[in-house]
Amino acid sequence: AQTVTQSQPEMSVQEAETVTLSCTYDTSESDYYLFWYKQPPSRQMILVIRQEAYKQQNATENRFSVNFQKAAKSFSLKISDSQLGDAAMYFCAYGPGSARQLTFGSGTQLTVLP
Amino acid sequence: GAVVSQHPSRVICKSGTSVKIECRSLDFQATTMFWYRQFPKQSLMLMATSNEGSKATYEQGVEKDKFLINHASLTLSTLTVTSAHPEDSSFYICSATPPTARREKLFFGSGTQLSVL
Repeated sequence: AQTVTQSQPEMSVQEAETVTLSCTYDTSESDYYLFWYKQPPSRQMILVIRQEAYKQQNATENRFSVNFQKAAKSFSLKISDSQLGDAAMYFCAYGPGSARQLTFGSGTQLTVLP
Repeated sequence: GAVVSQHPSRVICKSGTSVKIECRSLDFQATTMFWYRQFPKQSLMLMATSNEGSKATYEQGVEKDKFLINHASLTLSTLTVTSAHPEDSSFYICSATPPTARREKLFFGSGTQLSVL
């Protein structure tokens, strides 16, 4: 079974600074996707960034980028120039290539300090 | 873009009653939908996979008779919490993907907060 581990229950960052959220996963599959989702107080799940396992290049979306280390099964999220609106719960998630359900990590609560 | 609509957003019921939650794909057909449960301050846990025209697939530990899933059309899946009890109070979220879309195109509903008194 796949597992996703987020070892940082809480993180804080100063506004305009950079923060990195950690995520490790375990799978025996070779075809899969990795995701970072943001869940604000509204509880709507918002996709931040995704990475296909077959791609070596790290995904980037504006201020958000990932460090995907396939051999180490590590998938960290870097948020640059942090903004107050980035404050939320962040979930790392794994999706097998053969199906569309996700396995989520336990989440990291990010606080952005003004 | 594709949207998944979930209703109601919040429901309060008495212990022993049943509650139905709807998940609709608004502009695409979804042969498969997924139901997750999220307890306060915790992660999303997959409960079941809803399959159009066939029985749902439940994750280990999820009671089939407690959480009835019906996927009668290509745009609607319903989750009925039968004889609800306070321990069933949770946030329930559905997700769906257009069948022709790339596999990473997942869309989530806005969730339903169930409170059982």
